[in-house]
Amino acid sequence: DIQMTQSPSSLSASVGDRVTITCRASQGISNSLAWYQQAPGKHPKLLISAASTLQSGVPSRFSGSGSGTDFALTITSLQPEDVATYYCQKYNSAPLTFGGGTKVEIK
Amino acid sequence: EEQLVESGGGLVKPGGSLRLSCAASGFTFSRSSMNWVRQAPGKGLEWVSVISSTGSYIYYADSVKGRFIISRDNAQNSLYLQMNSLRVEDTAVYYCARAGPAAIRGSGYFDYWGHGILVTVSS
Repeated sequence: DIQMTQSPSSLSASVGDRVTITCRASQGISNSLAWYQQAPGKHPKLLISAASTLQSGVPSRFSGSGSGTDFALTITSLQPEDVATYYCQKYNSAPLTFGGGTKVEIK
Repeated sequence: EEQLVESGGGLVKPGGSLRLSCAASGFTFSRSSMNWVRQAPGKGLEWVSVISSTGSYIYYADSVKGRFIISRDNAQNSLYLQMNSLRVEDTAVYYCARAGPAAIRGSGYFDYWGHGILVTVSS
């Protein structure tokens, strides 16, 4: 089975900072990669599909990139409402594995 | 408005059984692949199982294979998870999630999520 490895596991940044989270697949998955945001106490919310397609209503400061095995989620200007845990997920075929998560906090 | 509402959670003893339900509304359930995802307290997301729109394709995580059964009733717009031989490590919030429109044969990202239901396995 393909493993998904996220880094870092947590980060602390200032409001307005650029933040990048990476996700690596143990085998190539083309662009079948999604990113989710889970705010504290809430259910996950889909941010990005197909590695770089922003979902409707998601702020443009979020962007995704990558293909094959290496992917990234970037927040260009971190806002207080972005405090959450972020997960990547491969979805080309079962098992539909998630990465371990990256907890983002405000410094 | 699309909505997924889980029910059936609670406290159960190790070795016991529980059946979760997920009621769907606001979208064409019969055309959607559906999933269960769980999250142990303080831990990350773990995909559990997927069922395709007609039930032709079903897959499970290794951690639940042989113990959990996913099913659906398209006439009732409902998804189910029968959980047998429950273990302490099955304690988690269980989410019902819809696979996006391009999903086929058990693939697909999750575009709608329920709010989750807590299952606690403890003696």
